[in-house]
Amino acid sequence: AQTVTQSQPEMSVQEAETVTLSCTYDTSESNYYLFWYKQPPSRQMILVIRQEAYKQQNATENRFSVNFQKAAKSFSLKISDSQLGDTAMYFCAFTAIGKLIFGQGTELSVKP
Amino acid sequence: EAGVAQSPRYKIIEKRQSVAFWCNPISGHATLYWYQQILGQGPKLLIQFQNNGVVDDSQLPKDRFSAERLKGVDSTLKIQPAKLEDSAVYLCASSTGPANKQFFGPGTRLTVL
Repeated sequence: AQTVTQSQPEMSVQEAETVTLSCTYDTSESNYYLFWYKQPPSRQMILVIRQEAYKQQNATENRFSVNFQKAAKSFSLKISDSQLGDTAMYFCAFTAIGKLIFGQGTELSVKP
Repeated sequence: EAGVAQSPRYKIIEKRQSVAFWCNPISGHATLYWYQQILGQGPKLLIQFQNNGVVDDSQLPKDRFSAERLKGVDSTLKIQPAKLEDSAVYLCASSTGPANKQFFGPGTRLTVL
């Protein structure tokens, strides 16, 4: 069975600092995709970043970057220069055939 | 570009009643998903459509839940009869295809009393 685990239910960071959210997954598939989604209190889920498993280069989107370790089945999200608007639930997700499997989420609070 | 539309945004019903949710995906998106998100948990896929055909409904409680996507565009999700444990946010998402970026709607928050 494919699973996604986020071991940090809650995290906090000071504004302008850097924070890393952890995610591990389990799969026997060789080709798959990994995502980080953000869900602010308004509940509209927004894609933050996407990583294709066959690409060794870590994905980057502005202040957001990932550390993808395929052998370790680890996919962490680093947020640099944290902003108050980054406060949200962050979900790690996995798909091999289109069905997205989500982790339990990490609630991130950015403090002024 | 218009996003994924869902209605209603909120619904409160008594247990054993029926309820229906509506979703209008982004124009041109062939793949449509319905997720159930219970408070404090990540979303769980209920059903995935490719055009108007079902790709995956393995986690849909078929004794009470049903969904359809007529003409490969809009979709409705129905619960009949509702149980207390159906209280959740129901999210609709669409994409141009499996493994592509999914765009989510605002969700419908269902409370079953």
